[in-house]
Amino acid sequence: GAVVSQHPSRVICKSGTSVKIECRSLDFQATTMFWYRQFPKQSLMLMATSNEGSKATYEQGVEKDKFLINHASLTLSTLTVTSAHPEDSSFYICSARQGASSSYNSPLHFGNGTRLTVT
Amino acid sequence: AQTVTQSQPEMSVQEAETVTLSCTYDTSENNYYLFWYKQPPSRQMILVIRQEAYKQQNATENRFSVNFQKAAKSFSLKISDSQLGDTAMYFCAFMWTGNQFYFGTGTSLTVIP
Repeated sequence: GAVVSQHPSRVICKSGTSVKIECRSLDFQATTMFWYRQFPKQSLMLMATSNEGSKATYEQGVEKDKFLINHASLTLSTLTVTSAHPEDSSFYICSARQGASSSYNSPLHFGNGTRLTVT
Repeated sequence: AQTVTQSQPEMSVQEAETVTLSCTYDTSENNYYLFWYKQPPSRQMILVIRQEAYKQQNATENRFSVNFQKAAKSFSLKISDSQLGDTAMYFCAFMWTGNQFYFGTGTSLTVIP
């Protein structure tokens, strides 16, 4: 089955530093990847849609300068949390849809998530 | 805008019994897809079942089945013969041709031995 690898699984950083999270589709090409944020015992909140070769589309209220997304290839998208603050501490999950972006009937495949703690 | 509502924050069921999780959604779209995802304590999101809106027949996957009522915009998940491994958060999700997933608020299910 389709596998999405997310790295790192856990990261602790100091306030003011930047952290990069990688999301890779291992056995399929993903034109579109999605980045979610999840607070404890809450649902997944879509942050942005990452499109290969073009700029990401951010959801309302998500700071694009703070959460930098790069989708340089069909198998890799990265999320960089810049100048991290304690309130950025959360669980971040990436996902990818197998097939072309027009294949909207394909389910999402999720990475295992990254727990970010900013001290 | 699309919204997905799960009105049961927490539920419990005895092992081997049947439980139904509810989900309602609101959309003006006619072509869309509905999913149920499971998130165990490991936090990995696992696809449980999916339903195409244009299909009348309810989807089934082994012990999991859905009751899809398009007119009522309802999409409930029935888990039969509940097992301890079914303990998890369950999220209902809606996807349309706009290429975005919308998740419900989740239902925490506990299977009691």
